[in-house]
Amino acid sequence: GQNIDQPTEMTATEGAIVQINCTYQTSGFNGLFWYQQHAGEAPTFLSYNVLDGLEEKGRFSSFLSRSKGYSYLLLKELQMKDSASYLCAALNSNYQLIWGAGTKLIIKP
Amino acid sequence: GAVVSQHPSWVICKSGTSVKIECRSLDFQATTMFWYRQFPKQSLMLMATSNEGSKATYEQGVEKDKFLINHASLTLSTLTVTSAHPEDSSFYICSARGLHEYNEQFFGPGTRLTVL
Repeated sequence: GQNIDQPTEMTATEGAIVQINCTYQTSGFNGLFWYQQHAGEAPTFLSYNVLDGLEEKGRFSSFLSRSKGYSYLLLKELQMKDSASYLCAALNSNYQLIWGAGTKLIIKP
Repeated sequence: GAVVSQHPSWVICKSGTSVKIECRSLDFQATTMFWYRQFPKQSLMLMATSNEGSKATYEQGVEKDKFLINHASLTLSTLTVTSAHPEDSSFYICSARGLHEYNEQFFGPGTRLTVL
């Protein structure tokens, strides 16, 4: 079967760094996405990885290891507005997005 | 980035009525559009995938006669919830994918449906 695993909830402190992990199993692989979703809003795109390695984009970075079926999203210098759910999604060989259940990130002052 | 709009943003209707939700790609041609449903504190659930000019492909457990999808043009897809019931109350989100290098899906802002 196809599935995505990511932690249900994480808590971090304002100004700190947090890493959200995601493991995936899909039929074929065409890349991995991270989306941010604030409560009551639609998801917004954060990153896309298809090659192994780290992609840095400002305070957010995303890492992929295809051999391990593993990705993480790294958030630095956390701000209160980063409190949201972070969704990991893998694109399979049919170009279907397989979604994780999301990780709710709580930022404390 | 590409922009996707949804209309209406929210709707309240009586049980038994039908509700139509529109999804438009504003600045690109969407070869494929997706309809998702999200219940409170749950992840996105894909309902169906539609390609312009062809019938939608529904996910298992989604009633195609209840959730009618029309993708008549490269910029517009509609979802009609027929004979809505309170259990259909949810956040409905569409996304669109064009011919982009990332195969990225661009999400609309969502439609909150409340059925009384």
